[in-house]
Amino acid sequence: QSALTQPRSVSGSPGQSVAISCTGTTSDVGSSVYVSWYQQQAGKVPKLMIYDVNQRPSGVPDRFSGSKSGNTASLTISGLQAEDEGDYYCLSYAGSYFVFGGGTRLTVL
Amino acid sequence: QVQLVQSGAEVKEPGTSVKVSCKAFGYTFTGQNIHWVRQAPGQGLEWMGWINPGSSVTDLAQKFQGRVALTRDTSISTAYMELSSLKFDDTAVYYCARNAPGIYYWGQGTLVTVSS
Repeated sequence: QSALTQPRSVSGSPGQSVAISCTGTTSDVGSSVYVSWYQQQAGKVPKLMIYDVNQRPSGVPDRFSGSKSGNTASLTISGLQAEDEGDYYCLSYAGSYFVFGGGTRLTVL
Repeated sequence: QVQLVQSGAEVKEPGTSVKVSCKAFGYTFTGQNIHWVRQAPGQGLEWMGWINPGSSVTDLAQKFQGRVALTRDTSISTAYMELSSLKFDDTAVYYCARNAPGIYYWGQGTLVTVSS
């Protein structure tokens, strides 16, 4: 039950787009419709940004989108804003358990 | 509205146990699974396990099998996470959270510090 692989950090300027990848295996990301993404800002509780691979909860801007191809899921943030800065985690169901990615620090330059 | 309210911070000695509670408000407690997630200082999120409050069936991450017990008391809409044989690296914030789908609702977190 290894953690999913995410880049340690990504960055972008306001208005640009960034993508964060989340790579697993055929046992988790590759076979699951239950992939979700969480934003965590300093000192705060994680916030759900995407669920079921590409669904957005109400209140999450449509600048955030999710996708999956094979064993890799991706979170894309378009039109970057300063408030998007923080840590992002993916989570995948793996049949009888869940596993998080190691987390990606997003810096808005 | 939906709320998960956790018990307060704990300081424990190595080798002892800690039990964290998570009281649910604003929905039918038996209707959605409760996850437990922890975060060590400066580290990422780690999924520990979940419980179906209706059936009490649990699933645990392999790492925590034999050391974590997830239980619930439906009469007071409260879930519990007990971690035994505490080690220094169990120092972390422990969260309970509810499926919605996706883990939408989170408790405020409980800091457990393992210190001699």
